[in-house]
Amino acid sequence: ETGVTQSPTHLIKTRGQQVTLRCSSQSGHNTVSWYQQALGQGPQFIFQYYREEENGRGNFPPRFSGLQFPNYSSELNVNALELDDSALYLCASSFSGGIEAFFGQGTRLTVV
Amino acid sequence: DAKTTQPPSMDCAEGRAANLPCNHSTISGNEYVYWYRQIHSQGPQYIIHGLKNNETNEMASLIITEDRKSSTLILPHATLRDTAVYYCIVGSTGANSKLTFGKGITLSVRP
Repeated sequence: ETGVTQSPTHLIKTRGQQVTLRCSSQSGHNTVSWYQQALGQGPQFIFQYYREEENGRGNFPPRFSGLQFPNYSSELNVNALELDDSALYLCASSFSGGIEAFFGQGTRLTVV
Repeated sequence: DAKTTQPPSMDCAEGRAANLPCNHSTISGNEYVYWYRQIHSQGPQYIIHGLKNNETNEMASLIITEDRKSSTLILPHATLRDTAVYYCIVGSTGANSKLTFGKGITLSVRP
């Protein structure tokens, strides 16, 4: 149990729709990172938020966007869903200057 | 970030030591070696990290070669619950740095 909670746990969407995934970070953590994990692959970095600002982005198109709120919780939004967006989406919280990232259980998104 | 190379899989007997190798020949001087593991249907879990010296905690030991081009994660007494995918990651310090995961090594612990 890491104290990082993600919702929903599972989600099915239709191609072209939009989706919002949510993450509550561990108490005291001011940084949230999002990762996409396709079946059989390692997680791939999408972006990171630190004190409500984007603080680094991986190789993902602009239709992947995010927010971080004053309480450091975060949202990942994906517009114009494609079949290849089907994956496990992981949120990790951490404290700036810390070493360890704490991951949530993930949201399993299926696009049909 | 430097790239890592791990064998795709290995197994070991319950109660025995599991030695998981990782090559990171392009590691730079300020990059750490991190190990995470991912048990089926869960998010990755931090295990240990190191820069130059060998490290040990309650979960595992990390042995880094003197030239820092490779490392070995040691689980001293593997249990069935240690069956997971283990990721070796090289990167700069601080949790604000992104983690660049490869495919990892799947460890199967057999009874």
